Amino acid sequence: GAVVSQHPSRVICKSGTSVKIECRSLDFQATTMFWYRQFPKQSLMLMATSNEGSKATYEQGVEKDKFLINHASLTLSTLTVTSAHPEDSSFYICSASDGEAFFGQGTRLTVV
Amino acid sequence: GENVEQHPSTLSVQEGDSAVIKCTYSDSASNYFPWYKQELGKRPQLIIDIRSNVGEKKDQRIAVTLNKTAKHFSLHITETQPEDSAVYFCAASYGSGGSNYKLTFGKGTLLTVNP
Repeated sequence: GAVVSQHPSRVICKSGTSVKIECRSLDFQATTMFWYRQFPKQSLMLMATSNEGSKATYEQGVEKDKFLINHASLTLSTLTVTSAHPEDSSFYICSASDGEAFFGQGTRLTVV
Repeated sequence: GENVEQHPSTLSVQEGDSAVIKCTYSDSASNYFPWYKQELGKRPQLIIDIRSNVGEKKDQRIAVTLNKTAKHFSLHITETQPEDSAVYFCAASYGSGGSNYKLTFGKGTLLTVNP
């Protein structure tokens, strides 16, 4: 099946710094990718839809200036958590579809 | 937007028994309904999916049923095994092409299969 690769898998950063997470579709082109956030023991909540060559579409309540999304090519979308704070600590996961949705490995972000 | 309700939130069964998880959705335009299994700290893995043009699909011990009129779909696992223990998520989506699957997830069901 199609492969979606996400890096890094785990990151610890200091409060106030920025963290970039990459999501790549390895064997197919994805004009659309999706970013989710998952808190412990909770479901996956869609944060935003990443659109190749245009602005991302953010879900209600998600700050676009805090969670910067760039989708510069058909195989790469990046999510940058700017000025991270402890409450941003979570599991972030991307997905892309090639007939069905495939997920990246996820990124465990811990802000200290 | 779409809203997906999933029940139960936790389910405990004995090895060999069947497990059923149910979901309802709100948007009648949704036409794709996947089920994911997620183990702790890992990515969700697609285990089965169904599209709105069929009512039932089966893959070995796993089956999914869809009732479009009532807007609900269910996951059935037979002859459960301890390795089936995980969190299961249902989802609904409107897919208009190969790259557009914006999934709305249910809250998940923690399935525990006791040996």
